[in-house]
Amino acid sequence: GAVVSQHPSRVICKSGTSVKIECRSLDFQATTMFWYRQFPKQSLMLMATSNEGSKATYEQGVEKDKFLINHASLTLSTLTVTSAHPEDSSFYICSARDQNWGGEQYFGPGTRLTVT
Amino acid sequence: AQSVTQPDIHITVSEGASLELRCNYSYGATPYLFWYVQSPGQGLQLLLKYFSGDTLVQGIKGFEAEFKRSQSSFNLRKPSVHWSDAAEYFCAVGTRTGGFKTIFGAGTRLFVKA
Repeated sequence: GAVVSQHPSRVICKSGTSVKIECRSLDFQATTMFWYRQFPKQSLMLMATSNEGSKATYEQGVEKDKFLINHASLTLSTLTVTSAHPEDSSFYICSARDQNWGGEQYFGPGTRLTVT
Repeated sequence: AQSVTQPDIHITVSEGASLELRCNYSYGATPYLFWYVQSPGQGLQLLLKYFSGDTLVQGIKGFEAEFKRSQSSFNLRKPSVHWSDAAEYFCAVGTRTGGFKTIFGAGTRLFVKA
């Protein structure tokens, strides 16, 4: 089956620094990738949709200057949390959709971000 | 607007008993429907999906779900629960309005008691 990887799996950074999270589709090409945020014991909240070669579409309330998304190739999307604060601590999950839209998204294992 | 409702925040079931997790959706067109399972600290695993055709869908790990258009529901069932099924379960709807997105329900936490 299709595999999506994320790196790192967990990261701790100091307040004010930036951290980059990578999302890769390992065995398929993904024209569209999605970034979700999940707070403890809560559901996944869609942050943004990124399309290869174009600007990401952010959901209402998500700061695009804080959460920078780049989808430079059909297999890689990155999320950079800039000037991180403790309230940015969360579980970030990416997913990728195969070029052939069948409705299914393949999810990465998630990245646990802790900002101290 | 599209939405997914999972009315039960948590459910406790005895091992070996049957399980039904409820899901209702709101979407103007024919939806793509999914059930995902998430173990603590892990990503999501797809259990099953409905796109069209037979309204009773079989998934992995012995799960099945039935799409009922008249009730806007897509309930997940399993005839006999195993302790390893304890996890968080998310119902989701895939939409095509304004681009392709998946909207998740709030999730139902399943506890399995011996």
